Amino acid sequence: KAGVTQTPRYLIKTRGQQVTLSCSPISGHRSVSWYQQTPGQGLQFLFEYFSETQRNKGNFPGRFSGRQFSNSRSEMNVSTLELGDSALYLCASSQSGTGSGYTFGSGTRLTVV
Amino acid sequence: DQQVKQNSPSLSVQEGRISILNCDYTNSMFDYFLWYKKYPAEGPTFLISISSIKDKNEDGRFTVFLNKSAKHLSLHIVPSQPGDSAVYFCAASEDNNNDMRFGAGTRLTVKP
Repeated sequence: KAGVTQTPRYLIKTRGQQVTLSCSPISGHRSVSWYQQTPGQGLQFLFEYFSETQRNKGNFPGRFSGRQFSNSRSEMNVSTLELGDSALYLCASSQSGTGSGYTFGSGTRLTVV
Repeated sequence: DQQVKQNSPSLSVQEGRISILNCDYTNSMFDYFLWYKKYPAEGPTFLISISSIKDKNEDGRFTVFLNKSAKHLSLHIVPSQPGDSAVYFCAASEDNNNDMRFGAGTRLTVKP
């Protein structure tokens, strides 16, 4: 059974640019959540999508947005990149959206220069 | 606002001994707690969880203890093995929903 796939694995962008990250959940999983991991801050919840609808949102500025497609694949977009956006972005999928059922992808390492 | 805190960034123990990882939380609405383990270049993997109706949950070498009055939980690994070396994240949520709040993580090193 394929795991959660995140692409690309690494990304370098310039301040002010925008970026789109992709997440393909485990087959049959309808919930996809996004987290940002930075040193010393742990994982911070960005948002969760379930059946193409944003169900929950964390405390991030509007520059961070996402969407989910009918096949449950999800994309996350960050516009007007700032240096502080450099982080590991993790996607997690589950059937129903419960924490214990999460499977995380390996993440996309974004570096903003 | 860090609602979940792991105050020890790192912990080193000898193989065969007990590892104790600690976690504190501030939000009294949290009623479901989880531990995740993360190896380098991989995503976190679920390890063990506990609901607020319990004060202990055991799974093999891993036991999680919850002290609700102190808003504190701990993960015990006995005996510790070199393969347990990883970063451990504590997480909490209300009703085991998707909005989990994570701590900053503790890097455990188990020395042979």
